[in-house]
Amino acid sequence: SQELEQSPQSLIVQEGKNLTINCTSSKTLYGLYWYKQKYGEGLIFLMMLQKGGEEKSHEKITAKLDEKKQQSSLHITASQPSHAGIYLCGADGTGTASKLTFGTGTRLQVTL
Amino acid sequence: GAVVSQHPSRVICKSGTSVKIECRSLDFQATTMFWYRQFPKQSLMLMATSNEGSKATYEQGVEKDKFLINHASLTLSTLTVTSAHPEDSSFYICSARDTNPTGELFFGEGSRLTVL
Repeated sequence: SQELEQSPQSLIVQEGKNLTINCTSSKTLYGLYWYKQKYGEGLIFLMMLQKGGEEKSHEKITAKLDEKKQQSSLHITASQPSHAGIYLCGADGTGTASKLTFGTGTRLQVTL
Repeated sequence: GAVVSQHPSRVICKSGTSVKIECRSLDFQATTMFWYRQFPKQSLMLMATSNEGSKATYEQGVEKDKFLINHASLTLSTLTVTSAHPEDSSFYICSARDTNPTGELFFGEGSRLTVL
């Protein structure tokens, strides 16, 4: 079965600082999804990556998928308190873009 | 964009009773929906795949008789936790895939179940 490991597990950064979250898969990914979750709430879709070497950006968040399609990184530039939450990567291991296997999650806190 | 809605968002029930959670795709049809469970401070674990018009497919270790899934229409899937016990207390989230080319997956707001 596919396993996803995220690092770090938790992160505290000062407002305005940059940060990176990594997601490593035990198997080749058909697709990699990034979501943000506030505790006790649903998931907010951030980005989906499918091609090796692909990079996407939305506002101050950039996500990349490596050439081998086994590792992805999420980078936040000039972090803000609104970025605080739990970041989850989800892997599509079947190529059906349907059910996902999720990573362990990264809890981000942004201090003033 | 596409929206997935869950109801109720919070439910408290007594041990031994059954609880139904609904998952609706509001502006698209979903032949397949997915139910996840999330324990405090942990990631999401897939419980089952809900298939419209046919039986749900359960992940290994998930009790079919405990977690009944019905996908009665192209916009509605329900999860019924039968004879609930305190260990069933958890955050349940559903997702559905829009059939557009991007294949984006949308998640509901989640339902927090507390069994007393």
